[in-house]
Amino acid sequence: KQEVTQIPAALSVPEGENLVLNCSFTDSAIYNLQWFRQDPGKGLTSLLLIQSSQREQTSGRLNASLDKSSGRSTLYIAASQPGDSATYLCAVRIYSGAGSYQLTFGKGTKLSVIP
Amino acid sequence: DGGITQSPKYLFRKEGQNVTLSCEQNLNHDAMYWYRQDPGQGLRLIYYSQIVNDFQKGDIAEGYSVSREKKESFPLTVTSAQKNPTAFYLCASSIGKQENYGYTFGSGTRLTVV
Repeated sequence: KQEVTQIPAALSVPEGENLVLNCSFTDSAIYNLQWFRQDPGKGLTSLLLIQSSQREQTSGRLNASLDKSSGRSTLYIAASQPGDSATYLCAVRIYSGAGSYQLTFGKGTKLSVIP
Repeated sequence: DGGITQSPKYLFRKEGQNVTLSCEQNLNHDAMYWYRQDPGQGLRLIYYSQIVNDFQKGDIAEGYSVSREKKESFPLTVTSAQKNPTAFYLCASSIGKQENYGYTFGSGTRLTVV
């Protein structure tokens, strides 16, 4: 069974610092990996989607990498801002049988950016 | 703007009551999903539907029911058989079951048993 792990569970950094969030998965047979942001009491906002054939995706100050063979992804946030404070979730899309594809989520990393 | 609308934002259920959470999307997506989120746990799949009039159980379907009579709508009923329903419920959609598409999520419904 696919398991997704995000370490650390919580991270606190001063404003302006560059940071890396980690995501690992146990089964490399994934179709894509998606990074989400969740603010307290809110839904999930998609940040980046990386297909299994891709190595990285970039959007503004965010860069996500994928190493499928080693079961790892990183989300790099450049020049962090207090507005980046949120919980970041990664999820992998896997084949679940009978023609179905599902997402398996990690538990998230709670990021606090201190002004 | 296209998106997913969940209502209500907050819902209170009395013991023994059934309640229904609404999820509507105008993205023309074929597939829709319901997840449950509890503190300290990852999102867990309750039910999903890849086409109208068809749906499948996820990992924690007991005590829940769904319907998919329209492409745009995928309501979730939390029945009295669900013994611990207090949680944050998230609805999502994707273009289809094709493996290379991402998911879009709604803003969630927080259900509390009173």
